[in-house]
Parts: sequence; structure tokens; C-alpha cells
Amino acid sequence: EPEVTQTPSHQVTQMGQEVILRCVPISNHLYFYWYRQILGQKVEFLVSFYNNEISEKSEIFDDQFSVERPDGSNFTLKIRSTKLEDSAMYFCASSEAGNQPQHFGDGTRLSIL
Amino acid sequence: RKEVEQDPGPFNVPEGATVAFNCTYSNSASQSFFWYRQDCRKEPKLLMSVYSSGNEDGRFTAQLNRASQYISLLIRDSKLSDSATYLCVVRGQAGTALIFGKGTTLSVSS
Repeated sequence: EPEVTQTPSHQVTQMGQEVILRCVPISNHLYFYWYRQILGQKVEFLVSFYNNEISEKSEIFDDQFSVERPDGSNFTLKIRSTKLEDSAMYFCASSEAGNQPQHFGDGTRLSIL
Repeated sequence: RKEVEQDPGPFNVPEGATVAFNCTYSNSASQSFFWYRQDCRKEPKLLMSVYSSGNEDGRFTAQLNRASQYISLLIRDSKLSDSATYLCVVRGQAGTALIFGKGTTLSVSS
């Protein structure tokens, strides 16, 4: 069964540094998403991406965050000037269409020190 | 009012039991509804979509009541492997974002 893959599985970074989280969505999917889950809390939507542009974003997704599809297979989330409160599990997801079920990768655990 | 509310549990049941989870959502314009399950420190995995007419997938039955803005999940003949957190998830009318509840924890024991 095709799956969404994410790298790295765990990223440890000093506060103030930039991080890039990587995702390879399912190959025939057209919509891509990032979510985060702070430990013990619910999964929160960050951004959706379609046709090489952001289609929707949440209040969490401010100027500190950016997304990119640098080539035909990768989808990245960049976080600039990381803060302690950015520590969370970041999940990438993809779907065939905007109204179809989203399938999640196994996440990147981001730890900011 | 929270967007998606669930009883956090935990629900502790023996193998073979039937257990039901409920969820309410605040946005009456929501269009799509799902149940996901999440194992400890793992990704959410789609369990089933929820349709207005209700739907069943093996031991799992989901119901939607749009008038009451209420979603339910029934698990029959519980297995040890059903132990997980069950997430009620809603998608808004025009958007793509999924809105998650905090989840209901189920523990099935032998």
C-alpha cells in the first residue's frame, strides 16, 4: 500500500536555528498538508498546498513557516528562528483531492533545545 | 465552544465487549467526517469516513446526525489490538483543513 514518508524521524535543533522537514507524498496525490501535534494535545492543521501554492493555512502558520515543493516528489516545511514552543510532532499528509481522506506520514519529532 | 469535542475516556473494556464513542462538532457547515485511530506517538490512521446514512466496516459502525451535529463510533467484539486513541475529525465546508478532536482513549484487556 502506498504511503507518505517523512524524514528525519527525529530532529534536534538549537533555539533560533532553521529546520527543514521533508515529506514524500503518495505519488498520485495532488493535495499536501502539514499538521503538528504538541505532546499531549490534539493534532492541529498548519497548511494545505495544491498546484504549487498554499490553498489554506491556519493562524499557527505565520511568517516563521514556509512550504515548498522543490521537485516532483518532495514537499518540505521550513521553520525559521525556531522557538521552544515549536517542539512537537510534525505530520505530513496527502490526498487525491481536497475533499478526499488524508493519509498521514509517520511524523518527524522536532525537539528545540 | 470547542470545534470538535470528545469524551477523553479512558474507556477500559474486556475483550469481546461493545463500546461506543461520541463526538460533537460546532460548525454546522462541516461537510466531511472521519474517524481516525492513533497509537501512542504514532501518526493518525484513517479508520473510516462517516456518511449521513451511517456506514459499517466489519466490527466498526459510524453514525452521523447532522441536525444534532453529533458523530458516533461503535466497536463490536473488541480486540486487544483495538487499544488506541480514536480521533473524531471534521472538514469544513469550503476548506481542506481537518479539525481534530482530542481523542478518546480505549484500552481493551484480556
